[in-house]
Amino acid sequence: KQEVTQIPAALSVPEGENLVLNCSFTDSAIYNLQWFRQDPGKGLTSLLLIQSSQREQTSGRLNASLDKSSGRSTLYIAASQPGDSATYLCASNTGNQFYFGTGTSLTVIP
Amino acid sequence: DTAVSQTPKYLVTQMGNDKSIKCEQNLGHDTMYWYKQDSKKFLKIMFSYNNKELIINETVPNRFSPKSPDKAHLNLHINSLELGDSAVYFCASSQGPSGGYNEQFFGPGTRLTVL
Repeated sequence: KQEVTQIPAALSVPEGENLVLNCSFTDSAIYNLQWFRQDPGKGLTSLLLIQSSQREQTSGRLNASLDKSSGRSTLYIAASQPGDSATYLCASNTGNQFYFGTGTSLTVIP
Repeated sequence: DTAVSQTPKYLVTQMGNDKSIKCEQNLGHDTMYWYKQDSKKFLKIMFSYNNKELIINETVPNRFSPKSPDKAHLNLHINSLELGDSAVYFCASSQGPSGGYNEQFFGPGTRLTVL
């Protein structure tokens, strides 16, 4: 069974700093890896999806990378802003379902 | 246009009652899911339907019964509610159960509080 881990569980950075969130998975037989953002009391918003054949995807200040062989994905956020404060979750589409990590709670301090 | 919608947004009820949560998606997806998010924010899959057929049924008490009248709807009925059922329940959908382009979209969640 796929296990997805996210480290660190919480991260606090000053505004303007670049940062990296980590996601690791045990089963490399994934179809894709998806990154989500969850604001307090809200649903999950899809940020980026990387197919298993891709190495990275970019959207604005966000860049997600995927290394299937090592079971790792990273989400890079450039020039962080207070509005980036949220919980970030990764999920792998493996088999016929999605397996979620436990999330990283990000706080960007003005 | 809301892609995945859930009703109600909040549900407060007494122990022992029966309640339902409704979910609808207008994305034309074939697969729909129910997740439970506990107080520690961990998302746990409960059920998944593909083309109205149940394909995932995790170890969920049989007090929980999903129903998919058509591909665009997946409802969750809960009998004899218990205190431990208090959580946020999310509905989600994707084109299929698996695939490279298979992106999952979530509803806003239903916060269930059992007193």
